[in-house]
Amino acid sequence: SQTIHQWPATLVQPVGSPLSLECTVEGTSNPNLYWYRQAAGRGLQLLFYSVGIGQISSEVPQNLSASRPQDRQFILSSKKLLLSDSGFYLCAWARGDREVIEAFFGQGTRLTVV
Amino acid sequence: RKEVEQDPGPFNVPEGATVAFNCTYSNSASQSFFWYRQDCRKEPKLLMSVYSSGNEDGRFTAQLNRASQYISLLIRDSKLSDSATYLCVVNVVSNYQLIWGAGTKLIIKP
Repeated sequence: SQTIHQWPATLVQPVGSPLSLECTVEGTSNPNLYWYRQAAGRGLQLLFYSVGIGQISSEVPQNLSASRPQDRQFILSSKKLLLSDSGFYLCAWARGDREVIEAFFGQGTRLTVV
Repeated sequence: RKEVEQDPGPFNVPEGATVAFNCTYSNSASQSFFWYRQDCRKEPKLLMSVYSSGNEDGRFTAQLNRASQYISLLIRDSKLSDSATYLCVVNVVSNYQLIWGAGTKLIIKP
């Protein structure tokens, strides 16, 4: 069966510090991968998605970046965090070879920038 | 107009009641539809896919009306454990994105 791992679960970082969140998927190959952010009491905002190694599409211009160095690894990064980067970050995967592409989420990372 | 719109909520419902969620989508090319459940401070989890013919899973029934671009979720005999936020999701297969509604919060009261 497929599983998705995302870490860390919680993170407190000072303004201006770097960020690296990692997500890995097991049990499938060539998944579509997504990074979302959810502000408190709000819906999901798509940040990045990837349909293959090295292929990254950005939905929202900001000081975040994403990379996919391996087929089942997706990394979200920032060089300098802003207070507005606080939120709940969710990684998700979906099958890349089927029309009905349900997404499955990691446990999320709750980031607080102080 | 938002691409996917849901009832704003919250819905405060007594235990045992029937509750219905509505969702409309704007892109007529949408081909896949889902309902997710999100508990407080947790990740969303797939509740049901929504098929053209409608589908049922225990106390949960999902329906799709393509002509009206409308999706619904019905929960019968609601339980305290049904308290959560319910998210409507739409996919246009030609791209790789899932379009999410803002969610409707459900509070079941004893």
